[in-house]
Amino acid sequence: AQTVTQSQPEMSVQEAETVTLSCTYDTSESDYYLFWYKQPPSRQMILVIRQEAYKQQNATENRFSVNFQKAAKSFSLKISDSQLGDAAMYFCAYRRGAQKLVFGQGTRLTINP
Amino acid sequence: KAGVTQTPRYLIKTRGQQVTLSCSPISGHRSVSWYQQTPGQGLQFLFEYFSETQRNKGNFPGRFSGRQFSNSRSEMNVSTLELGDSALYLCASSPPTGGGTDTQYFGPGTRLTVL
Repeated sequence: AQTVTQSQPEMSVQEAETVTLSCTYDTSESDYYLFWYKQPPSRQMILVIRQEAYKQQNATENRFSVNFQKAAKSFSLKISDSQLGDAAMYFCAYRRGAQKLVFGQGTRLTINP
Repeated sequence: KAGVTQTPRYLIKTRGQQVTLSCSPISGHRSVSWYQQTPGQGLQFLFEYFSETQRNKGNFPGRFSGRQFSNSRSEMNVSTLELGDSALYLCASSPPTGGGTDTQYFGPGTRLTVL
């Protein structure tokens, strides 16, 4: 079964600095998708970024970018120029086709002003 | 487009009661998935419906059931509530075809408290 591991339960960063959240996953498949979701205190799960496994190019969305290492089964999220509004729980997730989303345990990110 | 909506947002029930939660997907989305989120177990998949048919099911007891209507709206039912059913229940929908069918968009959730 596929598993997703986030080894950092909590992270903190100074406002305007850069932070990287780690995620590793286990799968025997070659075609799948990876996601980072953000869950602020309002509890709404918001899609941050999406990566197709067949694409070598790392996905980027404004201040958010990923470092996708397929062979190492690693999928880290880099947040540049951190803002107070970035404070949230961040979940890494895996999905293959129409199967269920498998989530990691989450990383709580705190932004210090 | 309006996002995924869930009703009610908050519920308080007592043990032994049953509850029905509702989810309206993004217009045009035909897939609806349900997840349970608790501090101890994290996010766990309940089931997924596509075109009124259950396509995937997680490892939850039969007290948890769901259905999907022809307009893609979905309901989730929990019978004989237990204290451990207290959780945030999240609904997510996915586009029907083309790129991005893998991407799930979440609603705000229903917070269920069982006393």
